[in-house]
Amino acid sequence: QQQVKQSPQSLIVQKGGISIINCAYENTAFDYFPWYQQFPGKGPALLIAIRPDVSEKKEGRFTISFNKSAKQFSLHIMDSQPGDSATYFCAASIGADNMLTFGGGTRLMVKP
Amino acid sequence: DGGITQSPKYLFRKEGQNVTLSCEQNLNHDAMYWYRQDPGQGLRLIYYSQIVNDFQKGDIAEGYSVSREKKESFPLTVTSAQKNPTAFYLCASSPLAGSSYEQYFGPGTRLTVT
Repeated sequence: QQQVKQSPQSLIVQKGGISIINCAYENTAFDYFPWYQQFPGKGPALLIAIRPDVSEKKEGRFTISFNKSAKQFSLHIMDSQPGDSATYFCAASIGADNMLTFGGGTRLMVKP
Repeated sequence: DGGITQSPKYLFRKEGQNVTLSCEQNLNHDAMYWYRQDPGQGLRLIYYSQIVNDFQKGDIAEGYSVSREKKESFPLTVTSAQKNPTAFYLCASSPLAGSSYEQYFGPGTRLTVT
């Protein structure tokens, strides 16, 4: 049973545009929601993360929006650049056990 | 790749052979994890270990085995019982103490079984 659903599977955005990736979760016990960025042939790297006590977190061009009542969270990439072209994974975990449940991934392509 | 090394980067094996993937970390992290990545399915947890000489099955442990004899090492063996072993395998580690839940990933090993 997939507990974290991610959409879309692929996304094409023009340079300078906004990329938006959405995730929905089922388990209300999740209390940590990270986003990972993965370039081809590489391991994922943490991009930004949020906890459910805040509704938004911004780091540079990357923003997480969190809607606890809807059990949804999203990643917004402002002023998207070709270098942002990668696969993005949302994830969720419960407490200090840190067992991450990953979404299926979104392959982002930013056209110059 | 944050102090986690995986070797080799590419691995080819014949069907029916066991193969061991290496994972070493120098981050002094307590927890280590193995994931399998297939196209369109995200990362799926195979095994994890939070302390030396102890490990737990993840969601897809069948056909795999692990050991954790040293804190810095967590090798994964893909056995001949694994029905579809061709995949990209990722090792990760994380601290358990403190407020950081970040998992640090290695560069991965791409295994092809024919």
